[in-house]
Amino acid sequence: GAGVSQSPSNKVTEKGKDVELRCDPISGHTALYWYRQSLGQGLEFLIYFQGNSAPDKSGLPSDRFSAERTGGSVSTLTIQRTQQEDSAVYLCASSSAGGAFEETQYFGPGTRLLVL
Amino acid sequence: SQQGEEDPQALSIQEGENATMNCSYKTSINNLQWYRQNSGRGLVHLILIRSNEREKHSGRLRVTLDTSKKSSSLLITASRAADTASYFCAGDQGAQKLVFGQGTRLTINP
Repeated sequence: GAGVSQSPSNKVTEKGKDVELRCDPISGHTALYWYRQSLGQGLEFLIYFQGNSAPDKSGLPSDRFSAERTGGSVSTLTIQRTQQEDSAVYLCASSSAGGAFEETQYFGPGTRLLVL
Repeated sequence: SQQGEEDPQALSIQEGENATMNCSYKTSINNLQWYRQNSGRGLVHLILIRSNEREKHSGRLRVTLDTSKKSSSLLITASRAADTASYFCAGDQGAQKLVFGQGTRLTINP
């Protein structure tokens, strides 16, 4: 596709339920990132995938959050037992990182999650 | 913790005027990037400035970087209504991890 796509665009769920957010990166991009943007806040790094390497999970706020990337392409961010403070826009980005430090990250439109 | 802090948090100017936004960061970076986010949309990359550069231009955008002060500025000249958006700076700490500030909400009044 032309850009990074995410689904769903909006998700409303009840506290305690699990949710899955999907990201389709730009074809050929080896690096994939998840960020979270809470209302009125900047972006918060969550997790980073690079090729077949072990992901950098240092930004995940709790063990209720997990992510996987299958086949080096599509990624799913899963939030278990959602809490109201999980409400935010979840943004996915990809880049053609080849080990350099100057790769531009291209962002998707985000998934707006509301936990009631 | 967040790396960048934008200043001001909100800026409202008349169309045609120049808009200047500032960003400060805390730790060493490899490069600094500016992004724009329109309401309800994803982030759009505007410009990247490397740690060994002091100034960079792209169209109506001018970015400066002062690594001794750990600060950067974004200047938008001859502003247009379409420039209304939130602007974020992001510091690349290496390992491809960008850390963003809270952004500056820019409003261009016709």
